Amino acid sequence: GNSVTQMEGPVTLSEEAFLTINCTYTATGYPSLFWYVQYPGEGLQLLLKATKADDKGSNKGFEATYRKETTSFHLEKGSVQVSDSAVYFCALLYNQGGKLIFGQGTELSVKP
Amino acid sequence: NAGVTQTPKFRVLKTGQSMTLLCAQDMNHEYMYWYRQDPGMGLRLIHYSVGEGTTAKGEVPDGYNVSRLKKQNFLLGLESAAPSQTSVYFCASRSQGSNEKLFFGSGTQLSVL
Repeated sequence: GNSVTQMEGPVTLSEEAFLTINCTYTATGYPSLFWYVQYPGEGLQLLLKATKADDKGSNKGFEATYRKETTSFHLEKGSVQVSDSAVYFCALLYNQGGKLIFGQGTELSVKP
Repeated sequence: NAGVTQTPKFRVLKTGQSMTLLCAQDMNHEYMYWYRQDPGMGLRLIHYSVGEGTTAKGEVPDGYNVSRLKKQNFLLGLESAAPSQTSVYFCASRSQGSNEKLFFGSGTQLSVL
């Protein structure tokens, strides 16, 4: 079936460390891919997106590249801050039909 | 203010009771979604709608029904609540086009005893 799989958390890093959160998907066709972030006590916010293969989404120092050959959309940031502590969700949108599904979320904790 | 409004924000039910959660958006979006969020499970799609009068099943539709009689409203119903339906429910609507964006409601905390 169609699904989104994220690396399990929690992920604990020191400030200024390099971040990678893995996301892989299974899907037919050509979906759009997203990363959402949920800060403590808040709803989900769009972080970045990519709508076709080889597109790179970027925002607030975060980046992710749509890799069709490896069916992946890994989230990266070169230097994390304490304020980046949140839960990160990878998501997939079926452009035909409008179905939008999320991965299970990865909790990130950044220590000073 | 434009956005997605969910009601109620909190609810406690007894097993077997029924209830309806209301989601309203004033952005003229075609696509609307209902998710449940559980610890370690992330967001799971219950049902969604691609326009007025349409509904479709998501990943976990059992025990829930939905209706989209008006474009701006998407209702989620529990006919006979079970403890396994204790969760936080989020509604979302989605804009389309080059500036595509997903707007979430603030959530409904539901406890079924």
